[in-house]
Amino acid sequence: AQSVTQLDSQVPVFEEAPVELRCNYSSSVSVYLFWYVQYPNQGLQLLLKYLSGSTLVKGINGFEAEFNKSQTSFHLRKPSVHISDTAEYFCAVSGDSSNTGKLIFGQGTTLQVKP
Amino acid sequence: DGGITQSPKYLFRKEGQNVTLSCEQNLNHDAMYWYRQDPGQGLRLIYYSQIVNDFQKGDIAEGYSVSREKKESFPLTVTSAQKNPTAFYLCASSINIRRVSDQPQHFGDGTRLSIL
Repeated sequence: AQSVTQLDSQVPVFEEAPVELRCNYSSSVSVYLFWYVQYPNQGLQLLLKYLSGSTLVKGINGFEAEFNKSQTSFHLRKPSVHISDTAEYFCAVSGDSSNTGKLIFGQGTTLQVKP
Repeated sequence: DGGITQSPKYLFRKEGQNVTLSCEQNLNHDAMYWYRQDPGQGLRLIYYSQIVNDFQKGDIAEGYSVSREKKESFPLTVTSAQKNPTAFYLCASSINIRRVSDQPQHFGDGTRLSIL
């Protein structure tokens, strides 16, 4: 079975500092990986996705993520955060042996950007 | 603009009452999903539908029911059998379930359900 683990439930960081949100996954088949962002009382918005090819994926709002197959990781990074990046971030994986296309989500990481 | 509309934004349920959450999409997507979100637990799949008049149970379907009579609509009923219904409910859609790799899921803004 597939699973996703987000290693930090909360990440506090000062404005303009770099940040990394960590995500590890387990799967016995090839996977597709996603990062979503959720602002308070809203739905999820896609930040970026990894399907194949280059392991460094660039997304919206200056975020990027690196797929590392040997470490089964897909960490999200931003070189300089803004107050407006304060939100909850979810890592998700799809692609299982039955190819249903369902997404499995991690528990979420709350990014708190301080002035 | 195309998107997913969930209503109401807030909903209160009395003990023993069934309530229905609405989800409408105008994206012409085949697949639709319902998730439950609880603090610290991420999103858990309740039901999903790949096509009109067909739906499948997700990981936590007990106490919930759905219908898919129209392509654009996928309402979720929280029945009295669901003993802990307080949560944030999110509806999503994608072009079709087997192309989620090309077209990730699009989400509505959610309905927050509470018990009176």
